[in-house]
Amino acid sequence: DVKVTQSSRYLVKRTGEKVFLECVQDMDHENMFWYRQDPGLGLRLIYFSYDVKMKEKGDIPEGYSVSREKKERFSLILESASTNQTSMYLCASSLISGTLAKNIQYFGAGTRLSVL
Amino acid sequence: GQQVMQIPQYQHVQEGEDFTTYCNSSTTLSNIQWYKQRPGGHPVFLIQLVKSGEVKKQKRLTFQFGEAKKNSSLHITATQTTDVGTYFCAGGGNYGQNFVFGPGTRLSVLP
Repeated sequence: DVKVTQSSRYLVKRTGEKVFLECVQDMDHENMFWYRQDPGLGLRLIYFSYDVKMKEKGDIPEGYSVSREKKERFSLILESASTNQTSMYLCASSLISGTLAKNIQYFGAGTRLSVL
Repeated sequence: GQQVMQIPQYQHVQEGEDFTTYCNSSTTLSNIQWYKQRPGGHPVFLIQLVKSGEVKKQKRLTFQFGEAKKNSSLHITATQTTDVGTYFCAGGGNYGQNFVFGPGTRLSVLP
């Protein structure tokens, strides 16, 4: 089974702190994604990466950056946390494949971040 | 950019009743995926539809992809308490590219 592991389930930080959210997948997937989930808004894509050192902005990248130094690890960075970044953060991974059937996204358990 | 909408936002049903959620895209999709998120859990892949007019069944769940590939539906027959959760559609999206998720439909099933 694919396993996507997020480093923390719950995190409490103060406004202005630098925050790192880590995600590791064990299935050699090329694609990795960071979403935030808020009630009534569903899953909104922050950034995604389709290869090591590659990154693409999603729908809401402002206030965030990402790092992908190794294929299995994708980090989300909040340079200066703000209260409006309090949310559930979900990491996901998928294959790049010539077969559409292979691009299923596998999600981690999520990190609930509170910024005070 | 591409937008994916879902209705209804919430649905409360009595156990045994049927349930349907609808997904609509502002653009033609190459494929569509459905995910289920149990309360306190993370989204889990249910199914992917690729062909225009495609219909797929998983036990009590029936998934349809519209002829124009701009809409989809998920129908649950005779709901059970285990069906509780939020159902998301996600419109793709060519090979390996990101999908756009709808806001989800939260289903509550009263025993």
